[in-house]
Amino acid sequence: DTGVSQNPRHKITKRGQNVTFRCDPISEHNRLYWYRQTLGQGPEFLTYFQNEAQLEKSRLLSDRFSAERPKGSFSTLEIQRTEQGDSAMYLCASSFDREANQPQHFGDGTRLSIL
Amino acid sequence: RKEVEQDPGPFNVPEGATVAFNCTYSNSASQSFFWYRQDCRKEPKLLMSVYSSGNEDGRFTAQLNRASQYISLLIRDSKLSDSATYLCVVNIVGSARQLTFGSGTQLTVLP
Repeated sequence: DTGVSQNPRHKITKRGQNVTFRCDPISEHNRLYWYRQTLGQGPEFLTYFQNEAQLEKSRLLSDRFSAERPKGSFSTLEIQRTEQGDSAMYLCASSFDREANQPQHFGDGTRLSIL
Repeated sequence: RKEVEQDPGPFNVPEGATVAFNCTYSNSASQSFFWYRQDCRKEPKLLMSVYSSGNEDGRFTAQLNRASQYISLLIRDSKLSDSATYLCVVNIVGSARQLTFGSGTQLTVLP
């Protein structure tokens, strides 16, 4: 499968715990994005990497959130001291900047539930 | 006001019907436009890009009106498998080139 891969698919944890998600983009894609989606809403942008550089962060990305893409390939998103409001689907997408219109291709997401 | 607005629906149409979705965006500097499809509890999947001249892909036709900041999607001869949420998506100009999504329009095609 050459699509965007995310794991775990589901994560259930108690409030206050730390969680980490992983995203493996399509191999030739140099751009990687994290989004968050809650029920009844479209995905909301969190952060973006061009290769290994994190170039943009949304104001939605509080200090408890950190994302890395150490070698310009896979990325991790960590949430520290989780809160109930963090419950959402976390989506990763990737794109190639030389593809016309640069569409983003999404992974199937990690669904986070905070108890 | 949301940056991308869509009628949330739901739209319930019989098989074979033609259905149209509309979307407006607020940032006139927007550069790229897309329709994504999202099935229940699944990831968004690119349905089609939207070009200034309008474009068609089989039963699907997308139109863009930059002057009115309006995007549309027309589905002809709808199939049961078209049932999904359709997301209007705009690429707002900026260094990040992140996508801005509407909240989606829910479509159910009935037998």
